[in-house]
Amino acid sequence: GAGVSQSPSNKVTEKGKDVELRCDPISGHTALYWYRQSLGQGLEFLIYFQGNSAPDKSGLPSDRFSAERTGGSVSTLTIQRTQQEDSAVYLCASSFSRTQETQYFGPGTRLLVL
Amino acid sequence: DAKTTQPTSMDCAEGRAANLPCNHSTISGNEYVYWYRQIHSQGPQYIIHGLKNNETNEMASLIITEDRKSSTLILPHATLRDTAVYYCIVRDNAGNMLTFGGGTRLMVKP
Repeated sequence: GAGVSQSPSNKVTEKGKDVELRCDPISGHTALYWYRQSLGQGLEFLIYFQGNSAPDKSGLPSDRFSAERTGGSVSTLTIQRTQQEDSAVYLCASSFSRTQETQYFGPGTRLLVL
Repeated sequence: DAKTTQPTSMDCAEGRAANLPCNHSTISGNEYVYWYRQIHSQGPQYIIHGLKNNETNEMASLIITEDRKSSTLILPHATLRDTAVYYCIVRDNAGNMLTFGGGTRLMVKP
């Protein structure tokens, strides 16, 4: 079946603008994760959704970052008042459940804040 | 989650087996060994995982030592498209986020 999809694939924005990044997880996967990866760096965890439970927001770097997951499927990561240090690849992953932890990643959204 | 140690880089000739080692001496009994890879400008790709027994799938084989303190990912016939950074991760299945270390940059050469 289809894998995790993300849109847009690339986004260039000006400092101070808001951006929305979208993730469509694999159908039937109840767990959804957002990470970011700066150039040449490892993964930085941002937020985790599991079913209808309250999300784990412990990785969000500031209150400018927020995420929603509607209907237990599609998720949107919003960055308000973007800063240049927000430039990174934003990756979404999903897994079947919390206890079956093989996470499958999307292709990422490359965000450049000018 | 236990820490892993991998070589920074490795070369492999096209068509030969690539053997990527990983040390995880502090692994605990309920932690699995996962391997992912990341090809340039793409998202991480799941390869294989195991607990105690050796595992094989269409992509690779995973050999875990009896004491579970180290493992080897084997790509049996490496191709140029296998050039990527390979990440070894150990974690239990009650955890949430993945933590990638530096990984091994595998260069497959013609």
